[in-house]
Amino acid sequence: GAGVSQSPSNKVTEKGKDVELRCDPISGHTALYWYRQSLGQGLEFLIYFQGNSAPDKSGLPSDRFSAERTGGSVSTLTIQRTQQEDSAVYLCASSPTGVVEKLFFGSGTQLSVL
Amino acid sequence: SQQGEEDPQALSIQEGENATMNCSYKTSINNLQWYRQNSGRGLVHLILIRSNEREKHSGRLRVTLDTSKKSSSLLITASRAADTASYFCATVGNSGNTPLVFGKGTRLSVIA
Repeated sequence: GAGVSQSPSNKVTEKGKDVELRCDPISGHTALYWYRQSLGQGLEFLIYFQGNSAPDKSGLPSDRFSAERTGGSVSTLTIQRTQQEDSAVYLCASSPTGVVEKLFFGSGTQLSVL
Repeated sequence: SQQGEEDPQALSIQEGENATMNCSYKTSINNLQWYRQNSGRGLVHLILIRSNEREKHSGRLRVTLDTSKKSSSLLITASRAADTASYFCATVGNSGNTPLVFGKGTRLSVIA
């Protein structure tokens, strides 16, 4: 596609349920990032994939969060046993190379945990 | 953890005026970038300035970088109502391939 695509755009779930958020980066982009943004706040880094290298998971807030990137393209962020504090907009971005000069963002997934 | 801190947190100006936003950061950088966000969703890249540059222009945008003070400023000249958005600075560490670290942003309101 022309840009970074995220689905779903909105997700409402009950506390304790698992959720999966999907990101389809721009074709050919080797780097993929997940960020989280709580209401009125800045972006919190979660995880970073670059080519075939091991992902940088240093931003994941707990072991309930995990992400994978299959075939160097589509990525899925999974949150297990969701908590109310997980409510936020989850943003995915990609860039052409590992040198971070410009990120292209998707429109995000608004996650609401009731 | 957040590297950049924008100042002010919120700014309200009249259309036609200039808007200046500042960003401070803590560690050495490869480059600093500014992004714009409308309606709390996707961000759009505006401009990048490298650590060996001091000033850069793009249309109505002017960015400065002072590495000795670890600070940057974004100037939007002749503002328009359509410039209303949140603006974030983001930094990349020395290696150039570390994830972007964002500040909390400045909310700009341009009143027609």
